[in-house]
Amino acid sequence: QVQLQESGPGLVKPSETLSLTCSVSSGSMNSYYWSWIRQPPGQGLEWIGYTHYSGSAEYNPSLKSRVTMSLDTWKKEISLTLSSVTAADTALYYCARHKAGASNAFEIWGPGTVVTVSS
Amino acid sequence: QSALTQPPSASGSPGQSVTISCTGTSSDVGGYNYVSWYQQHPDKAPKLMIYEVTQRPSGVPDRFSGSKSGNTASLTVSGLQAEDEATYYCSSYASSNSYVFGTGTKVTVL
Repeated sequence: QVQLQESGPGLVKPSETLSLTCSVSSGSMNSYYWSWIRQPPGQGLEWIGYTHYSGSAEYNPSLKSRVTMSLDTWKKEISLTLSSVTAADTALYYCARHKAGASNAFEIWGPGTVVTVSS
Repeated sequence: QSALTQPPSASGSPGQSVTISCTGTSSDVGGYNYVSWYQQHPDKAPKLMIYEVTQRPSGVPDRFSGSKSGNTASLTVSGLQAEDEATYYCSSYASSNSYVFGTGTKVTVL
């Protein structure tokens, strides 16, 4: 069973850029879409965006101007960068693999990594 | 892109059934058969319980079932068990190749 593991700095200063990485334990990355999803403390889930090995990517319209995602099949990593962060970006960030096919569901999740935006 | 609307809470006694609603619009829930449901226990990552409105992934008990009518999807948990106590989120594919989550429903087993 493939496993995902997010990693990142933990603490980011306001106005700076957040960079996170999701490592994939095994299997091919080529057949799947990969999303980032976040959850502010005590709140619900928010989809950030997805990327695919073909190079396609789509982002949440509310974050689109600040988000970039990419996929490195050699390193088996998915990256997320979020620029100009504010306290509102403080959250638990998850990466997730979509279910194969066109089901548009998030089948496998990492444990998440906490990001706090504070000076 | 607004969050899908779910009731904040639902409850039932062991063995009973509970149904959670998830209301969106014709641009998300009503427009596509791509509603999924996730179970989240405290301090754990969400777990996929239902996809494509009614489909259960391997390993998910058949006590969990999904349906949809118009712009509202529903998750029913039959034969409630203590381990079903969790927060449940719906999600839908939406126009412009995006996804939206529901506001979440905390299910309590009395």
